Amino acid sequence: AQKVTQAQTEISVVEKEDVTLDCVYETRDTTYYLFWYKQPPSGELVFLIRRNSFDEQNEISGRYSWNFQKSTSSFNFTITASQVVDSAVYFCALSEASFRGGSEKLVFGKGTKLTVNP
Amino acid sequence: AAGVIQSPRHLIKEKRETATLKCYPIPRHDTVYWYQQGPGQDPQFLISFYEKMQSDKGSIPDRFSAQQFSDYHSELNMSSLELGDSALYFCASSEDRNYGYTFGSGTRLTVV
Repeated sequence: AQKVTQAQTEISVVEKEDVTLDCVYETRDTTYYLFWYKQPPSGELVFLIRRNSFDEQNEISGRYSWNFQKSTSSFNFTITASQVVDSAVYFCALSEASFRGGSEKLVFGKGTKLTVNP
Repeated sequence: AAGVIQSPRHLIKEKRETATLKCYPIPRHDTVYWYQQGPGQDPQFLISFYEKMQSDKGSIPDRFSAQQFSDYHSELNMSSLELGDSALYFCASSEDRNYGYTFGSGTRLTVV
């Protein structure tokens, strides 16, 4: 069965600090997809990144970077030089690939609430 | 670009009433997913439809039912509402095996 663990329930940092959000996953499949979503106080789920299990390259997008390591089943997310606008709940999620149409639901971690203080 | 449209955005119902939530997926997306997110919780998968047929089912109460129509929009029907049904309900759509999900803005249901 799929499982996503975000051990950090809440993190509080001061603006301009770097912060890393941890994500550990479990799956029996060899083909799967990992995601990060941001949920600001307004409630919508904002897509940040999707990574498939065959692509272990790290990715950087502006102040955001992701470190995918299959050996430790981890997909960590780092925000560099954090800003107040980064305050939100961040969810890591997993989807297993399937040959049966429409069955690739997302399984979410419990989320990490990030508060960036001025 | 077209997004996933959910209606209504907010809904207040009394206990034991019925609610219907609607989801209009992105054109050409053939799969729709419903998720429920309780206060302070992560989104939980309820049910999905692929090409208008139910494709997967999660922890959806028997009081809830859903369907996908010929125009691919989907409706989630909730009966005998309970206080614990108060949550944010998300719909997401995707193209089959594209493994990219577009979420709607959600419907916030409050049961009083």
